[in-house]
Amino acid sequence: GAVVSQHPSWVICKSGTSVKIECRSLDFQATTMFWYRQFPKQSLMLMATSNEGSKATYEQGVEKDKFLINHASLTLSTLTVTSAHPEDSSFYICSALRADRGLVEQFFGPGTRLTVL
Amino acid sequence: LAKTTQPISMDSYEGQEVNITCSHNNIATNDYITWYQQFPSQGPRFIIQGYKTKVTNEVASLFIPADRKSSTLSLPRVSLSDTAVYYCLVGPSYNQGGKLIFGQGTELSVKP
Repeated sequence: GAVVSQHPSWVICKSGTSVKIECRSLDFQATTMFWYRQFPKQSLMLMATSNEGSKATYEQGVEKDKFLINHASLTLSTLTVTSAHPEDSSFYICSALRADRGLVEQFFGPGTRLTVL
Repeated sequence: LAKTTQPISMDSYEGQEVNITCSHNNIATNDYITWYQQFPSQGPRFIIQGYKTKVTNEVASLFIPADRKSSTLSLPRVSLSDTAVYYCLVGPSYNQGGKLIFGQGTELSVKP
């Protein structure tokens, strides 16, 4: 299957700082990527849809000014958690859509563990 | 998107067949049923998808009754490595690229 990577795999930061998480589609181009957040023992929650070359679409209740998404190329989307606070500590997962001969499949990255002190 | 209901957790032993049932009473005509597996601290992994009747692949089987208001994921002869959370999703086909809404999931624990 297609490969989606995330960097870093884990990060610890101080409260008030900003953290950038990268999501890359390694062997295919992805015009659309998704960002999810998952708290311990909970399900994945869709945060936003990232579209290459255009603004991201945020789900209801997700602050777009706090979670900045940039999808500047067909293989890279970034999520920046601005002014992070302890309640932003979570597991962030991205997924990327691969379109090939009329078939569109979604592949998930391995996730990034964010801990805000 | 149709809401799904699954058992929160299930226990099993190695070598047993495990059946996880998902209820989706409000499934729409165009909706597919898709199951994902997630190990701790990893992204979800696609297992199987179906629309009606029965679908089988090398990993699992999916049984869908005629009214499509429920579905059952069947894992044959589970091993310890099948311990994971299993999510049932109802919505656009996996291969249509729609956004996925994850429900609660079922935490399966396989014991030796």
